Amino acid sequence: EVELVESGGGLVQPGGSLRLSCAASGFTSTPYAMTWVRQAPGKGLEWVSAISASGGSTYYADSVKGRFTISRDSSKSTLYLQMNSLRAEDTAVYYCAKNSGGNTLAWFQPWGQGTLVTVAS
Amino acid sequence: DIQMTQSPSSVSASVGDRVTITCRASQGIGNWLAWYQQKPGKAPRLLIYAASSLQSGVPSRFSGSTSGTEFTLTISSLQPEDFGTYYCQQVNSYPVTFGHGTRVEVK
Repeated sequence: EVELVESGGGLVQPGGSLRLSCAASGFTSTPYAMTWVRQAPGKGLEWVSAISASGGSTYYADSVKGRFTISRDSSKSTLYLQMNSLRAEDTAVYYCAKNSGGNTLAWFQPWGQGTLVTVAS
Repeated sequence: DIQMTQSPSSVSASVGDRVTITCRASQGIGNWLAWYQQKPGKAPRLLIYAASSLQSGVPSRFSGSTSGTEFTLTISSLQPEDFGTYYCQQVNSYPVTFGHGTRVEVK
């Protein structure tokens, strides 16, 4: 069974950093692009970042560009999101998702269960 | 950015009713549209991709259609387990954008 498990969320002060991880199992993640999507409490879904199957291409929402970095370690079937200079408005549940193919522009299935990031003093 | 205008924001219907949710793109996106269902406290689940293709394992009462830049998700006969929030998503261009969601309540 294909499964994605996020970890690394928690409480962090404004201006702080956090690294999220997403471990994939049940499939070989290498041929697939991967994505991070977030959802602020009580709000809708917001696309955050995507990485190509090779890891050679990355894409970011304007709201996180220059602060967040997406990466992947195919040998560990793990996706990462390094988040720096965190702001209160970054507070959200962060989901990783598998793209339907090698394209970063694609639908997402499955999704992980999400990890909560809270930015507050 | 491509804006996805989703309506209605909420709907309350009875078991067996036909429910229709609409999403309008601010510009042409071809068939690069997906629909997701999200239940409280859970991750979204892909229902429809490429505007009208049913994801494996999704009941056939769900269907998608398109007319120009308007996309429609239809639940032909609402079931108790269909409660939740439904989102459309365009993947035609960056940034990927979602509609604001439609909350479906089963009376």
